[in-house]
Amino acid sequence: GQQVMQIPQYQHVQEGEDFTTYCNSSTTLSNIQWYKQRPGGHPVFLIQLVKSGEVKKQKRLTFQFGEAKKNSSLHITATQTTDVGTYFCAGLDSGTYKYIFGTGTRLKVLA
Amino acid sequence: EAGVVQSPRYKIIEKKQPVAFWCNPISGHNTLYWYLQNLGQGPELLIRYENEEAVDDSQLPKDRFSAERLKGVDSTLKIQPAELGDSAVYLCASSSPVGELFFGEGSRLTVL
Repeated sequence: GQQVMQIPQYQHVQEGEDFTTYCNSSTTLSNIQWYKQRPGGHPVFLIQLVKSGEVKKQKRLTFQFGEAKKNSSLHITATQTTDVGTYFCAGLDSGTYKYIFGTGTRLKVLA
Repeated sequence: EAGVVQSPRYKIIEKKQPVAFWCNPISGHNTLYWYLQNLGQGPELLIRYENEEAVDDSQLPKDRFSAERLKGVDSTLKIQPAELGDSAVYLCASSSPVGELFFGEGSRLTVL
């Protein structure tokens, strides 16, 4: 079945450093979404990418969807302590119309 | 606008006991999902509803799990009997017309 993997699994950075998480699907996706889950919280929607090669920015966050629509990345510039949490990608399988969540990247920011 | 409401937030039961979780989605959201999330892992889909119809329940362990959404609004997920391995967070979500998922706070189940 479809699998969505994320790397790295964990990342510790000093406040002010940049951070990137990568999402890779075994199959082509219709679109991809990104979610942030704070410790003890629930996933919160960040963004949705639909087009091949699409790039979207939200303040310090930059999201990219690969040309083949099988991979995506989230880049945070100059991390802050408020960025702490687990970042999940969720890819929409066009055949099953099912969102498959990635394995997540847990970010810790050291002040 | 109220978000997705789930109850109870926490439930501790002994194995073999039944348990039920309730979810009220965002008003107007026709699509409702139940996900299971184990510690340190991403949410895994259990069942998806379009209005009152279960359109994807392929991942629902039907020998012990059941779900219903009788009037196409709120939904209940039941486990009977619960096993130790069912300890997890059960997340309910509803989606906007563009597909954005709104999650509830989740129901954390501990089976002793």
